[in-house]
Amino acid sequence: EVQLVESGGGLVKPGGSLRVSCAASGFTFKSYSMNWVRQTPGKGLEWVSSISSSSSYIYYADSVKGRFTISRDNANNSLILQMNSLRAEDTAVYYCARLLDVAAAGRRFDYWGQGTLVTVSS
Amino acid sequence: DIQLTQSPSFLSASVGDRVTITCRASQGISSYLAWYQQKPGEAPKLLIYAASTLQSGVPSRFSGSGSGTEFTLTISSLQPEDFATYYCQQLNSYPRTFGQGTKVEIK
Repeated sequence: EVQLVESGGGLVKPGGSLRVSCAASGFTFKSYSMNWVRQTPGKGLEWVSSISSSSSYIYYADSVKGRFTISRDNANNSLILQMNSLRAEDTAVYYCARLLDVAAAGRRFDYWGQGTLVTVSS
Repeated sequence: DIQLTQSPSFLSASVGDRVTITCRASQGISSYLAWYQQKPGEAPKLLIYAASTLQSGVPSRFSGSGSGTEFTLTISSLQPEDFATYYCQQLNSYPRTFGQGTKVEIK
């Protein structure tokens, strides 16, 4: 069974840093691109960052570029999001999601974790 | 960046109703569109991918159509468990944008 479990959320002051992680199991982690998506309380979904299976390709939303760093540890089946220079508007539930990309069969985020809440407040 | 606009943003319907949600892209995205359902306190759940392919395990009352810039999600007969918020997402290019969501509530 595919499982994605986020951890590391919490309360941090503006300007501070936080590292959230996603532990993956039930599939060959090193074969899949992974993503972070966030959701502000009561609001919609915002894609944050993507990383390819071998970390060769990395993408960020403009809202986090230069402040957040995505990485992965394929030996330990984990996805990491290092968040620096945090702002109040970064307060959100952060989800990790797996990308399934099969040629001619479409791309989709087929599995999601349950999310971890990051609160940026003084 | 590709913008996705969903309509309506809010929908009030009764059990058994046929419901249609539209997602319009600011530029062509071929069929690289997915639909997700989210209930309060839960992670999004994939319903449809490649604009019209039903994810395994999703009831057949859900269907998707469209290509290019206009897409629809249809629920043929709304069930009590379908009251939720629905999001479209484009996977044609980065950033992987989502629509703003459509909340389906009980009439």
